[in-house]
Amino acid sequence: AQSVTQLGSHVSVSEGALVLLRCNYSSSVPPYLFWYVQYPNQGLQLLLKYTTGATLVKGINGFEAEFKKSETSFHLTKPSAHMSDAAEYFCAPITGGFKTIFGAGTRLFVKA
Amino acid sequence: GAVVSQHPSRVICKSGTSVKIECRSLDFQATTMFWYRQFPKQSLMLMATSNEGSKATYEQGVEKDKFLINHASLTLSTLTVTSAHPEDSSFYICSATTPGQGVNEQYFGPGTRLTVT
Repeated sequence: AQSVTQLGSHVSVSEGALVLLRCNYSSSVPPYLFWYVQYPNQGLQLLLKYTTGATLVKGINGFEAEFKKSETSFHLTKPSAHMSDAAEYFCAPITGGFKTIFGAGTRLFVKA
Repeated sequence: GAVVSQHPSRVICKSGTSVKIECRSLDFQATTMFWYRQFPKQSLMLMATSNEGSKATYEQGVEKDKFLINHASLTLSTLTVTSAHPEDSSFYICSATTPGQGVNEQYFGPGTRLTVT
């Protein structure tokens, strides 16, 4: 069965520092992979997605993620954190049709 | 971009009453809509998948008689929480997609905060 693991329920970085949010998935076939961001009391916004093609995917707000099949990972990065990046981030593969499996989420804190 | 709205954004109801939440795709036709439930500081849990013109498919453990889902048109799905109890208080989020052209992303509504007193 498909599952997704987000390492670290909370990540804290200083403003201007590198952001790294980890996501590993388990599957016998490469899934389609999404990262979503959720601000308090709001719905989810798509940050980026990987379906096919280039394994390094660039998204909105300066985020990017790299699909690594050998590591079954799809980690989210941003070179320089901004205060407005503070939010909850969800890694979400889609497999077997249109069902999305959401990771537990990682809350990003950005310190001034 | 594709926009999904939800109404109401917040609702407070008394225990034992029913409440209806609407999910609308504003600028596209959604053949499939999903309903999620999110508890505080937790991830989204899929409740059901709704296809236009057919019965919803509920996830294991979700009471279909309690959470009535109707997808009567390509732009509207409704979730009715019947005989609500305080434990039904949660953040309900819908999403919409249009399968058929490869893998499509889901477009999420802003969510509805339900509080049952």
